[in-house]
Order: sequence, then structure tokens, then C-alpha cells
Amino acid sequence: QVQLQQSGPGLVKPSQTLSLTCAISGDSVSSNSAAWNWIRQSPSRGLEWLGRTYYRSKWYNDYAVSVKSRITINPDTSKNQFSLQLNSVTPEDTAVYYCARVVGGYDPYFDYWGQGTLVTVSS
Amino acid sequence: QSVLTQPPSASGTPGQRVTISCSGSSSNIGSNTVNWYQQLPGTAPKLLIYSNNQRPSGVPDRFSGSKSGTSASLAISGLQSEDEADYYCAAWDDSLNGQDVFGTGTKVTVL
Repeated sequence: QVQLQQSGPGLVKPSQTLSLTCAISGDSVSSNSAAWNWIRQSPSRGLEWLGRTYYRSKWYNDYAVSVKSRITINPDTSKNQFSLQLNSVTPEDTAVYYCARVVGGYDPYFDYWGQGTLVTVSS
Repeated sequence: QSVLTQPPSASGTPGQRVTISCSGSSSNIGSNTVNWYQQLPGTAPKLLIYSNNQRPSGVPDRFSGSKSGTSASLAISGLQSEDEADYYCAAWDDSLNGQDVFGTGTKVTVL
């Protein structure tokens, strides 16, 4: 059974960096058949995919166009986890952030999700 | 921000059949498979249907999915009180360098 455990601060000041971590159990961040994603949810933007990291003989990252200039997702193989960094945050980045695993190859789907972290951007 | 369009709400009495639509375009539903997620209040979304019409282990067979062209549907037959939740469709979108997109969400109420 795969479990994803999120951690990180729930309050971030405007213009600073939002940082979250997702610890994986029951699978490996280096899996050749999974990808590791960050998704957020807010009343104004709904569910929004932010990006992913995955290993296919080397590491790859894909990011949503809406946040591409501000986002970094990094794997940490020593701790079997991956992280999200979102720079220069504004109140519009206030949302519940989820990590999630994608499987399914060319027909991908999110089969396991973290518990969610409410991040508020406010001074 | 949501690229896929769903009705905001749907409702039915216990035992009834409820259908939720999801409308997209040729770059998402028209060329990729559709997945459905159920979100109970205060919890993370849960995979309900994948690859248009496949149920993960443990999902009751009263949930079914279908796709035609650039639209998809989720049907709940034999509606139960525990089915009261938000439901989201999702698909990969080949535009904008490729990314996952979600529906606007449908709140199902059991009357």
C-alpha cells in the first residue's frame, strides 16, 4: 500500500518561497513506472496540476505553464521523498496543496494522494 | 483555470441513477483517456474511474464511466447517502507543452 505524507509550513509571506515535502512509503521515488506530482486546489482556480518529477534512466521534470517560471520539484532518493518549491508567492497562491502518484503509462491517472496541506499566503 | 466543464450540481434520491457530464476539446478528452475522482468533504480526491471506464479495486460497480468524442460521463446507479461528494473529471491535455487538466467539479447531493 502506497502512502504519501506531506509536511511543510501552512503560512508563507508574500514574495517568499513556499516549500513542501512529500514522503513516500510503499514505492520508490526512483520508480520507472510512476511519476510524482504536485496539485493544488482553491475555490478560485479549482484543481490545478502544478508539475511532476520522474525517473526514466535519468530524471525529468514537467511543469504547468502557469507556474513554470516559479516552480521547482526535486526528488530526494536518500529519503525517498520529493519536494515542491514555489517562488515569489502572492495571495493567489493560497490553496490546499496535494502530492500525488501517477501511474498508467500513456493513460496516466493519479492513484494515490497525500493528505493535503493548506498553505496561506499572508503577511 | 479548469479546462474541462462539468455541471456545478446534481442530485437524486437514494436508489436513483445520477449522471455527470464532462466536456472538453480535441486536445484533451478527444485524444486522451478520462479519469474521475471523488472528493469527500475535508479529504483528498480519490480515484474512482480510470482509462474512461475502469474501476480500481474496491470501487463499487454502481459507478461507471464512458467517453464519446470530446465528452465523458460518470454514472452513479443505485445512489447511496455515502455518494454525497464532489466529483471531478480529469485528462491529459496535449496543448501548452502537455499537462493534466481537471474539470470544474460537480457536487452530488443525495436528497
